[in-house]
Amino acid sequence: DAKTTQPNSMESNEEEPVHLPCNHSTISGTDYIHWYRQLPSQGPEYVIHGLTSNVNNRMASLAIAEDRKSSTLILHRATLRDAAVYYCILRVANDYKLSFGAGTTVTVRA
Amino acid sequence: DTGVSQNPRHKITKRGQNVTFRCDPISEHNRLYWYRQTLGQGPEFLTYFQNEAQLEKSRLLSDRFSAERPKGSFSTLEIQRTEQGDSAMYLCASSPRLETQYFGPGTRLLVL
Repeated sequence: DAKTTQPNSMESNEEEPVHLPCNHSTISGTDYIHWYRQLPSQGPEYVIHGLTSNVNNRMASLAIAEDRKSSTLILHRATLRDAAVYYCILRVANDYKLSFGAGTTVTVRA
Repeated sequence: DTGVSQNPRHKITKRGQNVTFRCDPISEHNRLYWYRQTLGQGPEFLTYFQNEAQLEKSRLLSDRFSAERPKGSFSTLEIQRTEQGDSAMYLCASSPRLETQYFGPGTRLLVL
C-alpha cells in the first residue's frame, strides 16, 4: 500500500483555520486521497476525499498539490468539536480497504 | 438514529473464552467491513463483505476469528479461545459505494 506521512500532533486556537499536511510521495495515478477523523471514544468519520482537483464540502477543504505528492486538509474555523485524530489515507481505485496510519492528533485551544 | 450500530459496546472476558460481536449496518448498504484498533494506532482492516459474500480476509484474521453476514444484513464477528493480545476496539463500517465508509462506535474488548 502507498504510504502517507503526517505530523504526530498539531495545536490550534478556536475559530482559527487549521492546515493539516500529508505527504504521499509514492502515490500512483489511480490512488484517491481520503481523510477521516476520529473523535475520542468514537469510530472514524469520513471528512473528504479527492483525486486530482481541490475539493470542498461542509466540513473541510482538501488542497492537492499539482504533482499529487502531498495534500492539505483545511478546517476553516476550528471548534472544540474538531479536536480529534485526523487520518490521511490513500485508497487504490476499485479497492475497498482503508489503510490507516497513526494520524495527526489535533488539539483545539479555547 | 440510522447509523451503524454495534453491540455490545464493551466486553470483558477471561482468556480462553469465546466472544461474539454484532454489527448492524446502515440499511441498504451492501458493503460491510470489520477493522481492529489497538491503543494509539489507526484501525487495521480485518475483513470485507459484499452482501452476504465474504470477499477478503486479512492475514490478521487468524483461524480463531470468524465473521458472517447471513442474508447480507447484520454481521457477527466471533473470536474463539480469546487471548490477551485480542484486546482491542473492534470497529464495523458499512458503505453503499467505495468512496465513503460509515463507522460504528466500536466494541471494546478486554481479555483478562
